[in-house]
Amino acid sequence: QSALTQPASVSGSPGQSITISCTGTSSDVGAYNYVSWYQQHPGKAPKLMIYDVSHRPSGVSNRFSGSKSGNTASLTISGLQADDEADYYCNSYTSSNTYVFGTGTKVTVL
Amino acid sequence: QVQLQESGPGLVKPSETLSLTCTVSGGSISSYYWSWIRQPPGKGLEWIGYIYYSGSTNYNPSLKSRVTISVDTSKNQFSLKLSSVTAVDTAVYYCARGGGWWGYWGQGALVTVSS
Repeated sequence: QSALTQPASVSGSPGQSITISCTGTSSDVGAYNYVSWYQQHPGKAPKLMIYDVSHRPSGVSNRFSGSKSGNTASLTISGLQADDEADYYCNSYTSSNTYVFGTGTKVTVL
Repeated sequence: QVQLQESGPGLVKPSETLSLTCTVSGGSISSYYWSWIRQPPGKGLEWIGYIYYSGSTNYNPSLKSRVTISVDTSKNQFSLKLSSVTAVDTAVYYCARGGGWWGYWGQGALVTVSS
């Protein structure tokens, strides 16, 4: 199972919106609404930001939103803040009854 | 608040078996899935597998021949064993609650494979 494809880096200025893509196949992202997103600051454990494509866990800012179109899922961060600077990973269920992560995206706040 | 804590040796010799335990506090291990996820230094996340509290398991096919995940409900713990390790198994190993998305994570345990 190959890793889902994410851009290596995305940047934006404070207050702007950015979108991170997560491209898979018709056997994973495209087949199921089981995509989740994680934020990871350096040296820390990942934090769940979105599950089941677009659901936000309690306590996660509504500046974070998720969506999916075809084989590509997306995470949008609106009103970009300094603390949003981190690595972001997507994850998807697959038709092999396994889970695969994305390659990861480094978000830089300019 | 549920908390998870990994424990185990930080150094394992090549060809030996890596063993880690995750202790769950602040909640029961029952009625949930429990997972192991790893991250080689400077690289991305890799799903290793999960176990349901009843004992059923599901593993990453790329690791399946070497992985065993078990659960001890009496101790509120679950464990990972990875056999025949090599340098490529050097990683931070995380335990987490969930089978498909993971809302609670341990802090991670760095395991280095080296002689």
